[in-house]
Amino acid sequence: GAGVSQSPSNKVTEKGKDVELRCDPISGHTALYWYRQRLGQGLEFLIYFQGNSAPDKSGLPSDRFSAERTGESVSTLTIQRTQQEDSAVYLCASRKAGLAGLDTQYFGPGTRLTVL
Amino acid sequence: GDSVTQMEGPVTLSEEAFLTINCTYTATGYPSLFWYVQYPGEGLQLLLKATKADDKGSNKGFEATYRKETTSFHLEKGSVQVSDSAVYFCALRAGSYQLTFGKGTKLSVIP
Repeated sequence: GAGVSQSPSNKVTEKGKDVELRCDPISGHTALYWYRQRLGQGLEFLIYFQGNSAPDKSGLPSDRFSAERTGESVSTLTIQRTQQEDSAVYLCASRKAGLAGLDTQYFGPGTRLTVL
Repeated sequence: GDSVTQMEGPVTLSEEAFLTINCTYTATGYPSLFWYVQYPGEGLQLLLKATKADDKGSNKGFEATYRKETTSFHLEKGSVQVSDSAVYFCALRAGSYQLTFGKGTKLSVIP
């Protein structure tokens, strides 16, 4: 079946502009994660959605970052007033609910964001 | 806090060579340990995992053993192929829904 998809695959923007990144999780996956991967670094957790529960936003680096998800569907990550240090690959992952799905996250191919 | 340290790459090997990618961790409690792999142009995917001490995870000829005494989870493969060229990430989950990842190690296998 279809995996996690993300769009756009690449985004180049000018400093100060807003960007919106999209993630389509695997159908039926109730949990969704956003990560950031800067060049030469590991994955940084940004935000976690689980069903209709309040999201865990503890990884968002500043108030310029926000994310939404309606139900168990598409999620969007918005970065306002982009800065050059926001340049990174943004990864989305989804997984099934419950203990059985806890250890296996399914990742999308990522969106490469370049802020000039 | 929790952290994962893995050997820095890139690693370049000839086909059929033996592979080891070192990974050590710091975590509270008894974490689950993972290796994820990212092939060129694809998303990360789970390669193998181990959930308790002395467990061995294995998949596609790769193995890693959960060593609590050395807090390590080194990835090994006896004979690599060109198709194994990818970036490998060590990760842990310590009692929550979050994974903590290492920086990744790029492996290139040449014919």
